[in-house]
Amino acid sequence: IAGITQAPTSQILAAGRRMTLRCTQDMRHNAMYWYRQDLGLGLRLIHYSNTAGTTGKGEVPDGYSVSRANTDDFPLTLASAVPSQTSVYFCASSDLGSDTQYFGPGTRLTVL
Amino acid sequence: DQQVKQNSPSLSVQEGRISILNCDYTNSMFDYFLWYKKYPAEGPTFLISISSIKDKNEDGRFTVFLNKSAKHLSLHIVPSQPGDSAVYFCAAIRGNTPLVFGKGTRLSVIA
Repeated sequence: IAGITQAPTSQILAAGRRMTLRCTQDMRHNAMYWYRQDLGLGLRLIHYSNTAGTTGKGEVPDGYSVSRANTDDFPLTLASAVPSQTSVYFCASSDLGSDTQYFGPGTRLTVL
Repeated sequence: DQQVKQNSPSLSVQEGRISILNCDYTNSMFDYFLWYKKYPAEGPTFLISISSIKDKNEDGRFTVFLNKSAKHLSLHIVPSQPGDSAVYFCAAIRGNTPLVFGKGTRLSVIA
């Protein structure tokens, strides 16, 4: 069982370009989440989805969009990347109502 | 306004001694509190949790204490080992809402 996979592992992107970060889980968890981790700021929630077909905004949603077409996949899209979106992005999943989230290995994104 | 606060960005402890990581919260409606551990270049991993109806939960070398009146919880690691060196995140949850994380504390265990 792979758990949660994220792709790419890292990416350097020119400002203004569109980018989609991929996240797939094989645990059949209802809920999925996207976080960014920045030095001194901890983990901040970008968007989440409690079940396929629904999404919600987290603490820092601006500049990002998500979709949840099925249970397993939860892609995060930056429509027009800006340097302030340089960060490490983590995808996570959990059973709805469970207190434990399982995290992917992260995607390191640099926007120049 | 930060609902979960870890006021110490870093902590250094001698191997074999106790590590105490602290966390404060502001929302009295939180149901569960969790600690996650994160190594460089890896995703956070769940370490230990505690329900809001308990005041202590122990798992091997790790114990979490909850003081609801003070809105404070702490993670104790005894004895500390070099492999415990990592960033520790405190998190809290209420119902089906997403986890709220603190900013993390970097623990360095010195051999």
